[in-house]
Amino acid sequence: DSGVTQTPKHLITATGQRVTLRCSPRSGDLSVYWYQQSLDQGLQFLIQYYNGEERAKGNILERFSAQQFPDLHSELNLSSLELGDSALYFCASSAEDGLFTGELFFGEGSRLTVL
Amino acid sequence: DQQVKQNSPSLSVQEGRISILNCDYTNSMFDYFLWYKKYPAEGPTFLISISSIKDKNEDGRFTVFLNKSAKHLSLHIVPSQPGDSAVYFCAASDPHGGSQGNLIFGKGTKLSVKP
Repeated sequence: DSGVTQTPKHLITATGQRVTLRCSPRSGDLSVYWYQQSLDQGLQFLIQYYNGEERAKGNILERFSAQQFPDLHSELNLSSLELGDSALYFCASSAEDGLFTGELFFGEGSRLTVL
Repeated sequence: DQQVKQNSPSLSVQEGRISILNCDYTNSMFDYFLWYKKYPAEGPTFLISISSIKDKNEDGRFTVFLNKSAKHLSLHIVPSQPGDSAVYFCAASDPHGGSQGNLIFGKGTKLSVKP
């Protein structure tokens, strides 16, 4: 158990819809990262938040947005969903940005299926 | 354009023998390299890392070798055990990517260790 909690574990929805994925980082971790893993692809970095502020952006679509709340949990919002958005979405957390140890703690992922 | 490549989608090894997983990268600015292991229905877990200023890092049965001139790293597992059967992801950190936690992952190699 990494200590990172993601909900929901599975989600099935239709094209054009909007969903919200939620992540609770490990206790004390200030940084939250979102990654997308599509079929046969490696994990693609989407976005990072550090203590409530956006720190880095990767290949995140404009239809996607995220935020980190004062209690440090984070939400990833996916809107106007397309078939190609079907993927496993991982949240990860780390203790402190800047003191890089290389270790991110990943949740079990949220599997999104768009029909 | 893949900056981190794992050219072998799968590898099968006999228990007790050595497993060698390979990874190539293109960006000479990467300063940190990591290996993550992933079991089905779980998130990736950190295994071992190496700084770009080193050429070897060892942790128990796991050793990572870095050849900067060839832009190549490898993970050696000796001896291999059935519990090592998992997907192994190679990842690299780009300090110019805004955050060192913005890891760039390969597509993974599925290791099967047969008893």
